Parts: sequence; structure tokens; C-alpha cells
Amino acid sequence: QKEVEQDPGPLSVPEGAIVSLNCTYSNSAFQYFMWYRQYSRKGPELLMYTYSSGNKEDGRFTAQVDKSSKYISLFIRDSQPSDSATYLCAMSAGGGNKLTFGTGTQLKVEL
Amino acid sequence: SAVISQKPSRDICQRGTSLTIQCQVDSQVTMMFWYRQQPGQSLTLIATANQGSEATYESGFVIDKFPISRPNLTFSTLTVSNMSPEDSSIYLCSVDRGTQETQYFGPGTRLLVL
Repeated sequence: QKEVEQDPGPLSVPEGAIVSLNCTYSNSAFQYFMWYRQYSRKGPELLMYTYSSGNKEDGRFTAQVDKSSKYISLFIRDSQPSDSATYLCAMSAGGGNKLTFGTGTQLKVEL
Repeated sequence: SAVISQKPSRDICQRGTSLTIQCQVDSQVTMMFWYRQQPGQSLTLIATANQGSEATYESGFVIDKFPISRPNLTFSTLTVSNMSPEDSSIYLCSVDRGTQETQYFGPGTRLLVL
């Protein structure tokens, strides 16, 4: 079993839809949870960063962490074609430990 | 924010040869990381490179196969040695942005080994 599981998609939604992207994990030591966005032929860029459980909102993006269920989510409101990319979840136990990434979910927002 | 460039952006190589990938950052950073991204697989850390010390390799990666240099605080190289088709991948360098959890990534080097 992988430490981090992420549905690879592809996920196709119409413009303006609410998108829900999810990851599950097995390592209870993870405390830092990140979402990276990767456009085609580009490197990943940090989108959201959350410590421990709870919600964090930044514009159209909301990150949720449920440590009791070992489940994290990224919600995108009013999705735009420019949101079409691969979204990678990543997590870490902190203290200099490495990041563990999901395989990424490919999202396409259609006009 | 840090601006990271990588050279080459892509290459096609013959098996048995070696390729050195360069990573340049526009500001001084303590830690630089090298990752591999294979199709359908998660980003995998190869090694962490600190200036002035030997790189630290993750399980499954060895210095003979992936030698790394870190001559100063803005530059690093990763060499993929004695390549085989299984080494075909995207290789990414990254730097920490204050914490190891939040990293800036370079654009990647797309390597195809025939």
C-alpha cells in the first residue's frame, strides 16, 4: 500500500463548477499537508500549505485536513479553464523529513 | 520567490551514456533537492544537496548512479550515469522556501533514454 493515495483522474468539469480533489494517507506522523499545481511541461508550484487539521482558504481555493480520517481535500470554486493542470498532494512529518507526494490528479476545466 | 532554471530542458540519450543536469537558483539557498517524476508515479526524492557536504541519498538511489555536486549556494548538478531506458523520466530540482515543506521547483529536465 502506498503511503499516499490519489486518484489520477482525469477529471473533467465544466467552467464554473466546484472541484473536489482528495488524497488519503496511512502515516499518522504526517502533520504538514500541501497542494501543488503542475501545468504541462512545468515544475510543480505550491498552491496551499496547511499544518495539522482544519481548513484554510485562499481565494477560490480551500484546503481541508481531517487527520482522524487521514484524508485531505482541495476545493476549487468557480473553476476556470486556467485551472486545468495536475494537482499533487504532498505531506510531511516535519522536522526535516522529506515530502511524500501523491501521484497527482489531472484536472480539465472545459468551456 | 526563487527563480530556478534547469539545463537542458530535454534530451534524448543512448543507453550506457551519462547526462549532467544543471540547476541554477537566483538567490542563495541552503538546501537543494533532486526529484524524479516518472509517468503515472509520484514525485520521488533522489537526494538532498547541502553546500559544502556530501549529498544525502534516499533509499533506492546511490551516488554511483546519481552523483551530485553542490559547489555553491546557487548551483547544483545531478548526473544520471550509465543510463538505461528505465531512467527515462522528468528530473526536477527544488529549493526550500524557508521550510522543507514548501519548495520552489524548477521547470524540469525531460530525459528519454533509447
